[in-house]
Amino acid sequence: QKEVEQNSGPLSVPEGAIASLNCTYSDRGSQSFFWYRQYSGKSPELIMFIYSNGDKEDGRFTAQLNKASQYVSLLIRDSQPSDSATYLCAVNKGEGNKLVFGAGTILRVKS
Amino acid sequence: GAVVSQHPSWVICKSGTSVKIECRSLDFQATTMFWYRQFPKQSLMLMATSNEGSKATYEQGVEKDKFLINHASLTLSTLTVTSAHPEDSSFYICSATTGKETQYFGPGTRLLVL
Repeated sequence: QKEVEQNSGPLSVPEGAIASLNCTYSDRGSQSFFWYRQYSGKSPELIMFIYSNGDKEDGRFTAQLNKASQYVSLLIRDSQPSDSATYLCAVNKGEGNKLVFGAGTILRVKS
Repeated sequence: GAVVSQHPSWVICKSGTSVKIECRSLDFQATTMFWYRQFPKQSLMLMATSNEGSKATYEQGVEKDKFLINHASLTLSTLTVTSAHPEDSSFYICSATTGKETQYFGPGTRLLVL
């Protein structure tokens, strides 16, 4: 079992729709959770992070965390073609701030 | 804020040569820097963790004598790929933290070994 699992996609959504990206993790002791966006050929850029159960909203983005289910998700409202990228879920297991990354989900927003 | 730069962005070298990649935190002091490698269509793989003034901690399977890491100051870490071979061709990305958990990534260095 991989430590951080994501559906590779591609996930295709029409412009203006809600994109839902999911991530599961194996280590129950994981403490914090990050979503990064990576455009093709570029390095990852931080979208948001979440530590506590529940929802955290930042603009069009909402991160959701359920520690009991070991599940974290990212919702993108009003998806735009510019949101088309690979979305990486990363988990901090508490080992010196190291992050473990999932393989990423490719999102395609069609105009 | 939290800007990280890398230099060079692209490097092409001959097999057997060494290549040095610099990672700088431009507007903050980075207590820890991380080095990753990413092959095409794969996720980031952590190579090593670098703390200022101390030896880097390498992940399992990463050769410390091949990938030399120096973290001489709170704003600069370097990765030297020694005796590079074609299989070392990859996208090398550094990240830095301020002591909190969030990692800020540099733009990456694409290495091609001929």
